[in-house]
Amino acid sequence: EIVLTQSPAFQSVSPKETVTITCRASQNIGGSLHWYQQKPNRPPKLLINYASQSFSGVPSRFSGSGSGTEFTLTINSLEVEDAATYYCQQSSSSQITFGQGTRLDLK
Amino acid sequence: EVQLSESGGGLVQPGGSLRLSCAASGFIFKNYAMNWVRQAPGKGLEWVSGISGPGDGTFFADSVQGRFSISRDNSDNMLYLQLNNLRAADTAFYYCARDLAHGGSTTFDYWGHGTLVTVSS
Repeated sequence: EIVLTQSPAFQSVSPKETVTITCRASQNIGGSLHWYQQKPNRPPKLLINYASQSFSGVPSRFSGSGSGTEFTLTINSLEVEDAATYYCQQSSSSQITFGQGTRLDLK
Repeated sequence: EVQLSESGGGLVQPGGSLRLSCAASGFIFKNYAMNWVRQAPGKGLEWVSGISGPGDGTFFADSVQGRFSISRDNSDNMLYLQLNNLRAADTAFYYCARDLAHGGSTTFDYWGHGTLVTVSS
C-alpha cells in the first residue's frame, strides 16, 4: 500500500497569507496525485488533479506542483472561506489511498 | 448539473448486511467509472470500491475485499454497494463519487452527500 503523509497536520493562518501543504508518498507515484478540500459536514471537493491541473471552477489561488514522491498544494492570498481540511490522494496503485488530512484554520 | 444521491444507510448489527444505492443524474452515467469512499465520523477519507463505466471491472480496498460487492445499472443510472459481514470498523459515512476516468478508479470529481452506516449491537 502506498502511504501518503501530509504536513503539517494543522495550521492556523491569517487571511491574505500564503500557505503550502506537503504530501509525501512512500514510493514513486509519478504525477498521479490529487487534492481535495472538505468543509465540516460537507463532501470533499476536487481542487487539483494529476498534481497540477486545476479542476473546473476552482479559484486560481489554489495551485499544485510536484512529481514522484513529493507534492505541494499552495493557496495564495487565503480567504476566510478556505478554512477546511485538505486531503491528497494517489491513483498510481490499484489500492487508492488518501493522506491523513491537513486542517487549516483561519485566524 | 451532476447530482449524486446516496441512500440505504442505517443501523446494523455486527455480521449483518446492508445495500447502499446511489442515484446519478446530469451526465451520461455509462461513460464514467464510479466509486464508493467512506469516512468514519471525525476521521479521514478511505476509498472502498470502484467500478468501470460498462461495469466489467470492479476494484476493492483490501479492507473490504471478499465482504463488499459493487454493481451498477446503466439503464437506470444507479450505483450499488452490497455490504456483508459488517464490522464495527465499517461504521462511516459512505459517499458515492464519480470518477474522471471511464475504465477504473483514478480521481473523484463529483461527490454525493453521503449515507451513514452504523454497525453496532
